[in-house]
Amino acid sequence: NAGVTQTPKFRVLKTGQSMTLLCAQDMNHEYMYWYRQDPGMGLRLIHYSVGEGTTAKGEVPDGYNVSRLKKQNFLLGLESAAPSQTSVYFCASSRAGGYTFGSGTRLTVV
Amino acid sequence: QQQVKQSPQSLIVQKGGIPIINCAYENTAFDYFPWYQQFPGKGPALLIAIRPDVSEKKEGKFTISFNKSAKQFSLHIMDSQPGDSATYFCAADNTNAGKSTFGDGTTLTVKP
Repeated sequence: NAGVTQTPKFRVLKTGQSMTLLCAQDMNHEYMYWYRQDPGMGLRLIHYSVGEGTTAKGEVPDGYNVSRLKKQNFLLGLESAAPSQTSVYFCASSRAGGYTFGSGTRLTVV
Repeated sequence: QQQVKQSPQSLIVQKGGIPIINCAYENTAFDYFPWYQQFPGKGPALLIAIRPDVSEKKEGKFTISFNKSAKQFSLHIMDSQPGDSATYFCAADNTNAGKSTFGDGTTLTVKP
């Protein structure tokens, strides 16, 4: 039982490049989330999904897009990376109350 | 607008001490209150959680105290050890909406 798996674990991008972060969960959870964590800023919600085919904006959605084509997967895209998007990204999933987090993706944009 | 306020921001205790981390919320729609533990380089992990119809919940060395009328809840760690040194986040969930609001976190250091 893997829980929530994030790929890749580390990535370095050049400004303007694009990339997709993949999150997969095997717990049949309805809800999935993408957060970013920066020093001193806690966890900030980027986008979330309440079910397959649905997505919604969180508190810091600008510069990101998401898709949830399959219930078990939630993709986070950066179309044109900026240094301000250097962060650790966490995916999480939930059924009803309490999240299971992945181990994170450390992204550096140079 | 911060709906969950967590304090203190950092906390240092001696081994064997009982650190207490406090959180306060505003929205009465919250119906589930989890705590997460995060070690450096790892994702947050669900530690213990409580529903508002219960005033206290204990799991091992971790205890949540919940005061519904004051809209406050706290985490106590009994007989703390250096291995408990981590960042702790409180959260308040609106399970009907499928959303959680996190506190800003408390960095706990337990000195040997």
